[in-house]
Amino acid sequence: QKEVEQDPGPLSVPEGAIVSLNCTYSNSAFQYFMWYRQYSRKGPELLMYTYSSGNKEDGRFTAQVDKSSKYISLFIRDSQPSDSATYLCAMSLRPGTTDSWGKLQFGAGTQVVVTP
Amino acid sequence: GAVVSQHPSWVICKSGTSVKIECRSLDFQATTMFWYRQFPKQSLMLMATSNEGSKATYEQGVEKDKFLINHASLTLSTLTVTSAHPEDSSFYICSAASGLAVSYEQYFGPGTRLTVT
Repeated sequence: QKEVEQDPGPLSVPEGAIVSLNCTYSNSAFQYFMWYRQYSRKGPELLMYTYSSGNKEDGRFTAQVDKSSKYISLFIRDSQPSDSATYLCAMSLRPGTTDSWGKLQFGAGTQVVVTP
Repeated sequence: GAVVSQHPSWVICKSGTSVKIECRSLDFQATTMFWYRQFPKQSLMLMATSNEGSKATYEQGVEKDKFLINHASLTLSTLTVTSAHPEDSSFYICSAASGLAVSYEQYFGPGTRLTVT
């Protein structure tokens, strides 16, 4: 079983719709949860991060973490064609954890296509 | 700020040859750099972690004699794929961090696509 599971998609939505993405994980020790956007043949770009459980909003993006269910989500409101990309979830242990400093565990990424 | 570059962006080499990929932090000093490999439609897999002036720490299953990592300065790390074979063809991405306090404070390069023929 992979530590982080993410549906690879593709997920196709019409412009203006809400994009809903999620990941599940198995390691209850994860404390930091991140969402990255990756355009084709480019490196990942950090969109949002959340520490422990809760919600976080930044513009059109909302990230949710439910540690009891080991489930994280990213919502994109009023989606635009420019949002078409692969979205990767990533998570890590708390700082100072032996031998795990800074290491990110990524999901497989979900390809999102926003059609005009 | 926080720009990381990689060179080359795309390289084709013949089987059995070696290829070097550079990762540079352009506007900050990177005490730690990470090297990832990404196969098509798959996740980024961490290969190794390097701290400036120290030997790299490799993840389980990554051959350290095949993937040589050098982090000789605070702005440059190199990954050398030695005796490359077609199965080494992949997208290699580095990330760089300065005095890493939390995991998300690392910045990714644009990646290098390696094709071994």
